[in-house]
Amino acid sequence: ETGVTQTPRHLVMGMTNKKSLKCEQHLGHNAMYWYKQSAKKPLELMFVYSLEERVENNSVPSRFSPECPNSSHLFLHLHTLQPEDSALYLCASSQDLGVSTDTQYFGPGTRLTVL
Amino acid sequence: EDQVTQSPEALRLQEGESSSLNCSYTVSGLRGLFWYRQDPGKGPEFLFTLYSAGEEKEKERLKATLTKKESFLHITAPKPEDSATYLCAVQAAGNQFYFGTGTSLTVIP
Repeated sequence: ETGVTQTPRHLVMGMTNKKSLKCEQHLGHNAMYWYKQSAKKPLELMFVYSLEERVENNSVPSRFSPECPNSSHLFLHLHTLQPEDSALYLCASSQDLGVSTDTQYFGPGTRLTVL
Repeated sequence: EDQVTQSPEALRLQEGESSSLNCSYTVSGLRGLFWYRQDPGKGPEFLFTLYSAGEEKEKERLKATLTKKESFLHITAPKPEDSATYLCAVQAAGNQFYFGTGTSLTVIP
């Protein structure tokens, strides 16, 4: 067990639905990340938070909205998604960001299917 | 352009047949190179962090090495439970992270 949990593990939603993905880390880390993993593609970094402040947003569509209320919790709010958004969404955390080398520890992921 | 390339894309080995996976990278200012193992439907599991050329790390049947252009993950006498996708990632200066597409390893009993 990596110390990073994600819920739900599976999610099926329609294009007009609103849902949220939750991530919690129990490692005492200060940085958290959202990634999208699609088949045959490298992991795509979506958002990075360091000490609850967003430090990176890699041109992600506005239908994805992150929230980091504290250093242990990270949410990804979803609305009016498209079928091509179907993927495995991974949360990760690292001790810090930018202090030295930041080894990331991943959660189990949420398998999202958009109908 | 910063990028990470892993090869081969897929590898089938007989149990006990040692081999190596390759991760080549071109990034500006390497801060660290990471190896992960990912089982189907699960998140990547951390294996190693390598910081500088010449560094080596070992864990059970796995050994990771690093040069200025590439990293190798050597698997000695693999077992069926080593079957997984192995991911390589690098952290560049500026805190950018780049992942490869992975090598899918199958170890046949």
